Amino acid sequence: GQQLNQSPQSMFIQEGEDVSMNCTSSSIFNTWLWYKQDPGEGPVLLIALYKAGELTSNGRLTAQFGITRKDSFLNISASIPSDVGIYFCAGQVRSQFYFGTGTSLTVIP
Amino acid sequence: GAGVSQTPSNKVTEKGKYVELRCDPISGHTALYWYRQSLGQGPEFLIYFQGTGAADDSGLPNDRFFAVRPEGSVSTLKIQRTERGDSAVYLCASSLTGGSPYGYTFGSGTRLTVV
Repeated sequence: GQQLNQSPQSMFIQEGEDVSMNCTSSSIFNTWLWYKQDPGEGPVLLIALYKAGELTSNGRLTAQFGITRKDSFLNISASIPSDVGIYFCAGQVRSQFYFGTGTSLTVIP
Repeated sequence: GAGVSQTPSNKVTEKGKYVELRCDPISGHTALYWYRQSLGQGPEFLIYFQGTGAADDSGLPNDRFFAVRPEGSVSTLKIQRTERGDSAVYLCASSLTGGSPYGYTFGSGTRLTVV
């Protein structure tokens, strides 16, 4: 199957700091998605990217679709306690989505 | 309903038993997906339905796993002769059409524990 590697694996930051995480793959994807998962819940879509080089924002979140189509990053500005959770990237091939290994974010008030 | 509903939320079963996990997708969503998420990992694709038919079942790990969607809405994931390695959270997702660019909407999952 497709392998998506996320880094860092975990992050501990102070409230108010900016966060950056990225996702790389050996395969090309046509669509990149970023999800957030809270404990006991399913992943929730944050941002979808459809074109290489695309930069998209959703509130304090900004994500970019790498020009090689093999990577993507997610930035969170001015983090708040409710940003805590696990963030997953996902790449789309036809009707399947392949998920990364996740980045666990802890925000210290 | 408003979201994807999965039942039960938790299931504990003995090794060797048969289990069924249910998914109620968002009304009108023709595409339905099953994923398995092991502890500390991202969701792993199992099977994708478009309407009543399984369009892609390449993610099912072996023939102990089977899924149906007889009327194109509710789906049931069936696991025979459960093994301890089957313990995971089983997630269901639905989307308006297969490969929808708006991504999926996930349910909260069924946590399966095989003892």
